[in-house]
Amino acid sequence: AQSVAQPEDQVNVAEGNPLTVKCTYSVSGNPYLFWYVQYPNRGLQFLLKYITGDNLVKGSYGFEAEFNKSQTSFHLKKPSALVSDSALYFCAVRDILNAGNNRKLIWGLGTSLAVNP
Amino acid sequence: EPEVTQTPSHQVTQMGQEVILRCVPISNHLYFYWYRQILGQKVEFLVSFYNNEISEKSEIFDDQFSVERPDGSNFTLKIRSTKLEDSAMYFCASSGQVKTYEQYFGPGTRLTVT
Repeated sequence: AQSVAQPEDQVNVAEGNPLTVKCTYSVSGNPYLFWYVQYPNRGLQFLLKYITGDNLVKGSYGFEAEFNKSQTSFHLKKPSALVSDSALYFCAVRDILNAGNNRKLIWGLGTSLAVNP
Repeated sequence: EPEVTQTPSHQVTQMGQEVILRCVPISNHLYFYWYRQILGQKVEFLVSFYNNEISEKSEIFDDQFSVERPDGSNFTLKIRSTKLEDSAMYFCASSGQVKTYEQYFGPGTRLTVT
């Protein structure tokens, strides 16, 4: 079965330090991978995606993610964290078992990122 | 920048009552979705909608749920007889053309069933 795992419930980093939020996946075939961020009392905002091409993808707010096929991972990274990056981060994979117009996303449990001043 | 909107932001209803959650997807998008997030749990897929019909639904989306696109802009989720366990944040999302894979989400409707 297709699944996404975010092994850390919470990540704490100091402002200015690099951050990594981990995600691993399990799919049949080639994955389409996504990162979303959720600020308190807000919806899910799209950050970045990997579909094909370069393994390092860049997204909004200075975030990037590296697709690693051998490790089935898609970790989210940022070179220098900001206090305003504190939020809940979700990794998701597109369901690719079904053909046609089905495009549902399968989600990880989320990782709470706290950036301390 | 276009965005998905949802109304109401918070709905309180009594068990057994019908609720309709409303969404206005991004105007040129073709694919529409409902997800829900029970407090402290993961986001769960409910249903996807394309070309005026359901393209997939999850086990959660039973006969008590229905979706409709009554006009060119709105996309609604109806729960006919709400249960306590339907209390959750409900998110509407839409995505665009064939090669646009990311989904754009609305701010959500918090449904509280008492």
